[in-house]
Amino acid sequence: NAGVTQTPKFQVLKTGQSMTLQCAQDMNHEYMSWYRQDPGMGLRLIHYSVGAGITDQGEVPNGYNVSRSTTEDFPLRLLSAAPSQTSVYFCASSKTGKSSTDTQYFGPGTRLTVL
Amino acid sequence: AQTVTQSQPEMSVQEAETVTLSCTYDTSESNYYLFWYKQPPSRQMILVIRQEAYKQQNATENRFSVNFQKAAKSFSLKISDSQLGDTAMYFCAPSGAGSYQLTFGKGTKLSVIP
Repeated sequence: NAGVTQTPKFQVLKTGQSMTLQCAQDMNHEYMSWYRQDPGMGLRLIHYSVGAGITDQGEVPNGYNVSRSTTEDFPLRLLSAAPSQTSVYFCASSKTGKSSTDTQYFGPGTRLTVL
Repeated sequence: AQTVTQSQPEMSVQEAETVTLSCTYDTSESNYYLFWYKQPPSRQMILVIRQEAYKQQNATENRFSVNFQKAAKSFSLKISDSQLGDTAMYFCAPSGAGSYQLTFGKGTKLSVIP
């Protein structure tokens, strides 16, 4: 049971490039989410999904796209990277996403630098 | 919606001593949960402790306990018998009972000194 996995661990992009951050979980969790962590800040929610085919925006969704075609995978796409997207990105999952019943499990993070 | 304030950006404690990290929050939710997460230098986010707001009894997990003051909207974390492995960033995070979002504070960097 690998838990929540993220690839890559590190990435450097140039402004305007696109890329996809991968997230997978093997716990059969319905809920998956993406957070970003900037220096001196807590984590902020970008997008989340409560099941395959369902996604919704979090606090800071601009510049990011997501899709959820399977229960296991929840990729985060940057269509045209900007320096303001330099951050550490965390993927998280839980059974339902509701705090009343679940605990969220976090992946190890991806450090992204946009030059 | 929730807001979170962690007023201590950095703290240090001697090994084996006790330290308390502060957190105050505001929420419009009538039923909510409060979490403390630990982020060691490895960057992994690890759940430390969870408190249900409608429970008056403070949560405890081994050396970690909370002091939950609902009226004051205060949720502090006490670490007893501090160990070197407790060195980490600690984040307070409230969440509405029906919410899909954790709202994180800016964190407190704790250093345990040998």
